[in-house]
Amino acid sequence: DSGVTQTPKHLITATGQRVTLRCSPRSGDLSVYWYQQSLDQGLQFLIQYYNGEERAKGNILERFSAQQFPDLHSELNLSSLELGDSALYFCASSAKGGWNTEAFFGQGTRLTVV
Amino acid sequence: DQQVKQNSPSLSVQEGRISILNCDYTNSMFDYFLWYKKYPAEGPTFLISISSIKDKNEDGRFTVFLNKSAKHLSLHIVPSQPGDSAVYFCAAKSVSGGGADGLTFGKGTHLIIQP
Repeated sequence: DSGVTQTPKHLITATGQRVTLRCSPRSGDLSVYWYQQSLDQGLQFLIQYYNGEERAKGNILERFSAQQFPDLHSELNLSSLELGDSALYFCASSAKGGWNTEAFFGQGTRLTVV
Repeated sequence: DQQVKQNSPSLSVQEGRISILNCDYTNSMFDYFLWYKKYPAEGPTFLISISSIKDKNEDGRFTVFLNKSAKHLSLHIVPSQPGDSAVYFCAAKSVSGGGADGLTFGKGTHLIIQP
C-alpha cells in the first residue's frame, strides 16, 4: 500500500460528459502529480501541484484541469470527454519536488468513455 | 518524440539468472533516473534511482547503471525471482534544469521470469 488513495477505481461515462477524479496523497506529502496511461502512449505526465499551487504542466489538454485543496487532496476534472480519453489515470505524491524524491503512486482510476 | 525509450516490450528470463532491462534517453537535461515496477491493477512502485553524478547504484538484488555519454541506463536484477515478473518502467526528470517536475516515462518492458 503506497498510502496514496484514488477514487473511484472505475468510471464509465458517455462522450461529452464531465468527470472528476479524486486523489488523497500520502500523509505529509505536499506534491501531487497526475499521469495518464493509455495503451499506445505509456505513462504521460499531466500536471503537478505543490502545496496548493500549480507547479508544472505536462501534456495536459485544455479540456482537463486540476486543483489541490488546503487539505492537500487533489481533483482532476475531465470535460467534453472523447473516446480517446479512455485510459488509466494515476495520481502520485511526494514530499517535495527536486532531488531524490521518488513519487508514490495510487492504484489508478480506469476511465472508460463510451 | 519519445524522450525515454525502452526498446524491448517484453523479456523472458529463467529463474535464478540475471535480468537486464535497458533504457535510452535523448534529453540531455535529464539528470535523475528512476525505475518503477508495475503489477496488473496496481500503480507503479518505485524500485531504485540514480542521479547523473553517479554511474552505479545498488540496492539488494537491483543495480542500476548509467552511461551518460551513451545516454543509456540499465537495470540488473540478480538473481531473478518469480515475483519479479511485472512491467518495468524507466523514468527520467531534470532536477537542475528547473523545468517540469514530473517524470518522463518509457513505455515499459514486460519481464517474465520462467521457472
